[in-house]
Amino acid sequence: QVQLQESGPGLVKPSQTLSLTCTVSGGSIGSGNYFWHWIRQPAGKTLEWIGRIYTTGGTSYNPSLRSRVTISVGASNNQFSLNLDSVTAADTAVYFCSRGTTVGESAYWGQGILVTVSS
Amino acid sequence: DIQMTQSPSSLSASVGDRVTITCRASQGVSRSLNWYQQRPGRAPKLLIYGASTLPSGVPARFSGSGSGTDFTLTIASLQPEDFATYYCQQSYSTPFTFGQGTNLDI
Repeated sequence: QVQLQESGPGLVKPSQTLSLTCTVSGGSIGSGNYFWHWIRQPAGKTLEWIGRIYTTGGTSYNPSLRSRVTISVGASNNQFSLNLDSVTAADTAVYFCSRGTTVGESAYWGQGILVTVSS
Repeated sequence: DIQMTQSPSSLSASVGDRVTITCRASQGVSRSLNWYQQRPGRAPKLLIYGASTLPSGVPARFSGSGSGTDFTLTIASLQPEDFATYYCQQSYSTPFTFGQGTNLDI
C-alpha cells in the first residue's frame, strides 16, 4: 500500500522560499508509470494544482505559478520536493502531495501540511 | 485553463436520499473527469475516475456519468458518512483544474 507524507516548516516569512518534501513508502518514485503531484488548498477554498513530476523526471507546472515553482526528486528516490519562491500571504494553504496515474486521477494522497506565510 | 463549474455549491439532504451533483467544463475534456470526496481536515479521496469508473473499495451507491463538457455524480442512497464536500477535477490537460466544490450537509 502506497503512503505519502508531507513535511517541512509550517511557517514561512514573506519573500522567502517555501520548501516541502513528500516521502513515499510502499513504492518507489522511479518505478511504474506515475506522476507525482503537488496540490494546495487555501482555507475554505477549492483545490489548486501546482504541478507534477514524472517517473523519468519530466515536470509540468501551473502557468499561474510557473515562474516561482520547482518540483524535483530527491536522491533517495523515495522523496520528491516542492520549492515555491518569493511567497506572500496568498500562498498560505494546506499543501498536499499525491500519486497520479497517466490517465490523471490521484488515488493516493498525503495527509496535507498547513503552511502559513507570515512575518 | 479549463474552468470547472459545479452545481449546486451546497446541498442539504437526508439519509436515504438520492442526490445528484453536476460538473460542467468550459471546453470538452472527453471522459477525463474525476470526482473526489473531502471530509473536514482530511485529504481528498478518489471516488470516481474516467467519468464513471469506481476505484476498488468505493461503495456502489456512488456513480458517475457524462462525457465532453457535462458530468454528474450520483449518490443513490445517502449514508451518514457521505456528508462531505465533493470536487470534480479535469485531467484532460494541464493545468489540472477543480470545481469549486459542493458541500453536502444534513
